Amino acid sequence: AQTVTQSQPEMSVQEAETVTLSCTYDTSESDYYLFWYKQPPSRQMILVIRQEAYKQQNATENRFSVNFQKAAKSFSLKISDSQLGDAAMYFCAYRSLAGANSKLTFGKGITLSVRP
Amino acid sequence: NAGVTQTPKFRILKIGQSMTLQCTQDMNHNYMYWYRQDPGMGLKLIYYSVGAGITDKGEVPNGYNVSRSTTEDFPLRLELAAPSQTSVYFCASSQGQGGIGTQYFGPGTRLTVL
Repeated sequence: AQTVTQSQPEMSVQEAETVTLSCTYDTSESDYYLFWYKQPPSRQMILVIRQEAYKQQNATENRFSVNFQKAAKSFSLKISDSQLGDAAMYFCAYRSLAGANSKLTFGKGITLSVRP
Repeated sequence: NAGVTQTPKFRILKIGQSMTLQCTQDMNHNYMYWYRQDPGMGLKLIYYSVGAGITDKGEVPNGYNVSRSTTEDFPLRLELAAPSQTSVYFCASSQGQGGIGTQYFGPGTRLTVL
């Protein structure tokens, strides 16, 4: 079974600065997807960024980018030019491509606060 | 295009009561999911569906039932509510072969069982 570990429960960043959120995962599969989701106080889960394991190039979405290290099974999220609206809980998630069930396996999440 | 909608937003139940959480998506996605999120934890899969008429259990199905009579709707039924079912419930949908497309989440339902 796959597991996703987010070992930092909380982080804080100064507005306009850069912050990196860590995530590691364990799997025996070679092909899979990895995601970062944002959950603001409204509780809705919002997709931030997605990475396909077969792609060597790190995914980027505006101020959000990832550092995907497949051999190390590491998938960190970098937020550049942090904004107050980035304050939220962030979840790392894994999805296998095997089988009919494409369920997401989530980490416990990290609470990010942004200081003005 | 409303995406994934869930009702109600909040609900308080007494032990032993029953209720149905509603979920509707208007994106014509074939895959739909129900997750629960306990305090300080990530989401865990309760049930999922790969299309109308087809459902299957996830990690934590005990105490719940689902049905999928249409592509759009995927209700979650709690038959005998227990305090352990106090949680936030999320419905999600996705498309693509094997449901590998991005999962879109609803806003969640906060359920308290007293």
